[in-house]
Amino acid sequence: AQTVTQSQPEMSVQEAETVTLSCTYDTSESDYYLFWYKQPPSRQMILVIRQEAYKQQNATENRFSVNFQKAAKSFSLKISDSQLGDAAMYFCAYRSDTGTASKLTFGTGTRLQVTL
Amino acid sequence: DTGVSQNPRHKITKRGQNVTFRCDPISEHNRLYWYRQTLGQGPEFLTYFQNEAQLEKSRLLSDRFSAERPKGSFSTLEIQRTEQGDSAMYLCASSRWVGRAGNTIYFGEGSWLTVV
Repeated sequence: AQTVTQSQPEMSVQEAETVTLSCTYDTSESDYYLFWYKQPPSRQMILVIRQEAYKQQNATENRFSVNFQKAAKSFSLKISDSQLGDAAMYFCAYRSDTGTASKLTFGTGTRLQVTL
Repeated sequence: DTGVSQNPRHKITKRGQNVTFRCDPISEHNRLYWYRQTLGQGPEFLTYFQNEAQLEKSRLLSDRFSAERPKGSFSTLEIQRTEQGDSAMYLCASSRWVGRAGNTIYFGEGSWLTVV
């Protein structure tokens, strides 16, 4: 079974600064996707960024980028120029690309605080 | 798209009572998922449907839990004889399955259940 580990329960960053959230995962599969989801307080979870395991190039979406290290099974999220609206829970998630590719497996999350 | 809609948003029930949650997915999304999220944890997969067929159920889904998607559109999650351990947020999500695991899964705002 796949597992996802987020070892940072809480992180804090000053507005306009850069922060990196860590994620490691364990799998024996070669085809999969990795995701970062953002869950603001009392609001729905939204997709921030995704990475296909077969792609060596790290995904980027505006101020959000990942550092994907397949051999190390590491998938960190970098948020540049942090904004107050970035404050939320961030979840790393894994999804197999084999078979029917059903569920997302989530980590326990990192709460990001953004300070002035 | 109007997004994934869940109701009720909050439910307080006495132990032993039955509760039912409804999820309306994004129109034309053929996959619908149910997750459970407790405080301080990431969402845990419960079950998912492709159209009206329930294709996978987690071991977390005890025989007190039942989910249906009778016409391949909305879904209901019923919990019978509720226990205090059932207190959690129940998340619904939907996606349009196109054969790869990278397709975006959209989440609703969740239904909070408190069992007293």
